[in-house]
Amino acid sequence: GESVGLHLPTLSVQEGDNSIINCAYSNSASDYFIWYKQESGKGPQFIIDIRSNMDKRQGQRVTVLLNKTVKHLSLQIAATQPGDSAVYFCAENMEYGNKLVFGAGTILRVKS
Amino acid sequence: DAGVTQSPTHLIKTRGQQVTLRCSPKSGHDTVSWYQQALGQGPQFIFQYYEEEERQRGNFPDRFSGHQFPNYSSELNVNALLLGDSALYLCASSNYRGSGEKLFFGSGTQLSVL
Repeated sequence: GESVGLHLPTLSVQEGDNSIINCAYSNSASDYFIWYKQESGKGPQFIIDIRSNMDKRQGQRVTVLLNKTVKHLSLQIAATQPGDSAVYFCAENMEYGNKLVFGAGTILRVKS
Repeated sequence: DAGVTQSPTHLIKTRGQQVTLRCSPKSGHDTVSWYQQALGQGPQFIFQYYEEEERQRGNFPDRFSGHQFPNYSSELNVNALLLGDSALYLCASSNYRGSGEKLFFGSGTQLSVL
């Protein structure tokens, strides 16, 4: 069935280092992918998105890479800061509509 | 500009009761989606409303129902509550233009069923 999964449930990085969070998806029909950040007690916050006709997209300190050949998605955070500590979810959108399928999440811990 | 607002923020119910959760979408948005997020898991799609009609539905029983009002706000109703319904219920709004429209989430309603 449809699923979005994450390789690493918890990632600990030193402040200032770069972080890479990985995600595997299974539905080749998905055409839109999003990364969300969720802090404790809050709803998911949009970070960056990418459509299936792209393989890379950059934002402010973040980059998303999409490898459709192996159905892999990654989020790179440059110069990780303590405020980046949160749970990160990747989500995929099926070909029709706005029904997002979320992965289980990766906890990012930033050590000062 | 207010984002997505949900009420109440917390709610405690007992098994068998019914609950109604409310959501006001971000200004300019016409579509509301509801998600259930169990502890330690990613959100799961419940259903989506546009033009006051349910447009898509996830794998949730009929105990979960919803409504959208002319001002685009929405309600989620859950009947005959079970312990397993305890979760964070998230509302997300967007513009209905088909696939891939950016969703904005509210902070959620934390429902505890005792």
